[in-house]
Amino acid sequence: GAGVSQSPRYKVAKRGQDVALRCDPISGHVSLFWYQQALGQGPEFLTYFQNEAQLDKSGLPSDRFFAERPEGSVSTLKIQRTQQEDSAVYLCASSVTREQFFGPGTRLTVL
Amino acid sequence: GENVEQHPSTLSVQEGDSAVIKCTYSDSASNYFPWYKQELGKRPQLIIDIRSNVGEKKDQRIAVTLNKTAKHFSLHITETQPEDSAVYFCAARNSGGSNYKLTFGKGTLLTVNP
Repeated sequence: GAGVSQSPRYKVAKRGQDVALRCDPISGHVSLFWYQQALGQGPEFLTYFQNEAQLDKSGLPSDRFFAERPEGSVSTLKIQRTQQEDSAVYLCASSVTREQFFGPGTRLTVL
Repeated sequence: GENVEQHPSTLSVQEGDSAVIKCTYSDSASNYFPWYKQELGKRPQLIIDIRSNVGEKKDQRIAVTLNKTAKHFSLHITETQPEDSAVYFCAARNSGGSNYKLTFGKGTLLTVNP
């Protein structure tokens, strides 16, 4: 079956631009996570949804980061006024039990 | 919050040798420990996981051991093959409460030389 998909796969933004990253989870997966993976590091938690409810956003680095999942399926991570330190791979994962299934990520480069 | 330390950061072995990667965690309430393999430019993929009520789990050439008292767990790969070359991440999770987020180690780059 189809796995987790993310779009775009690559995004180049000029500093100060807003970006929106999309995640399509596996159908029926209640839980959805966003992680940020800097070069050479492990993924770091950003935020967690259970259906449409955002239950934890403690990992979002600043108020420039915003995530939503309005219908409990597709999720969007939005970054406003991008900064160079936002450059990273943004991974989405979904799950229905213990195992989290990851998408291929969006590589964001801020110039 | 949870903190996961992973060692070594790089590991090079000859094909056929064994590889061991070790992780420690800080939160004694953590009870689920997955290992992910990430090839260059690809998504992390679960290779094995263990729950805190089990001390060891095996799946063909891969095994994971857990020592709850010492708060450490290890990945063992036997008879390594070149296709095992990748970055391996350990992670920990506290399944109590309403958040199931994973806390990852910094990763181990495993290189298997033919």
